[in-house]
Amino acid sequence: RKEVEQDPGPFNVPEGATVAFNCTYSNSASQSFFWYRQDCRKEPKLLMSVYSSGNEDGRFTAQLNRASQYISLLIRDSKLSDSATYLCVVNSGTGNQFYFGTGTSLTVIP
Amino acid sequence: NAGVTQTPKFQVLKTGQSMTLQCAQDMNHNSMYWYRQDPGMGLRLIYYSASEGTTDKGEVPNGYNVSRLNKREFSLRLESAAPSQTSVYFCASILSLGQTNEKLFFGSGTQLSVL
Repeated sequence: RKEVEQDPGPFNVPEGATVAFNCTYSNSASQSFFWYRQDCRKEPKLLMSVYSSGNEDGRFTAQLNRASQYISLLIRDSKLSDSATYLCVVNSGTGNQFYFGTGTSLTVIP
Repeated sequence: NAGVTQTPKFQVLKTGQSMTLQCAQDMNHNSMYWYRQDPGMGLRLIYYSASEGTTDKGEVPNGYNVSRLNKREFSLRLESAAPSQTSVYFCASILSLGQTNEKLFFGSGTQLSVL
């Protein structure tokens, strides 16, 4: 079983839509959780950390459900510029262990 | 503030050739990583260096060697390139391992093709 699993998509949504991505992780001892954004042929860039209490940054909301071992990202009022691949990243908190999902592709259509 | 700098950005090799990918960070980070990214596979860890003077294997180390030259620099060497090493390579760094909520910062990547 993969450490982190994501639906690869693609998600094609119209501008202004709300879209949600989920990610599951297998290690219940995982400590830190992140969403990264990756544009085509570019490096991943941190979008937001994910905290147990949930956190929001503008149009983006991240949630963590430790009991079910999943992380979610909600994007409201989608913009064309949101088109990218979104990577779920989990850190076990020990050693080097950052685990990456394969990414979810989002295309926002005019 | 340059962050994490990788060179070269693109490279084409013939099978059997060798090369070194360079990575440097100016954020005074202790830990550095080399990942490769292949379609449908996500990022996979090749080697990492928890601190200056130490290196350890990751998930896919075969065919690679690394050197943590100093705190700033972490290089990845392909001694005898193979077509299976065609990939996009990312260097990354983090302030310190084992700290919760520490975030990875990535270089811009090296697109390597081995013919």
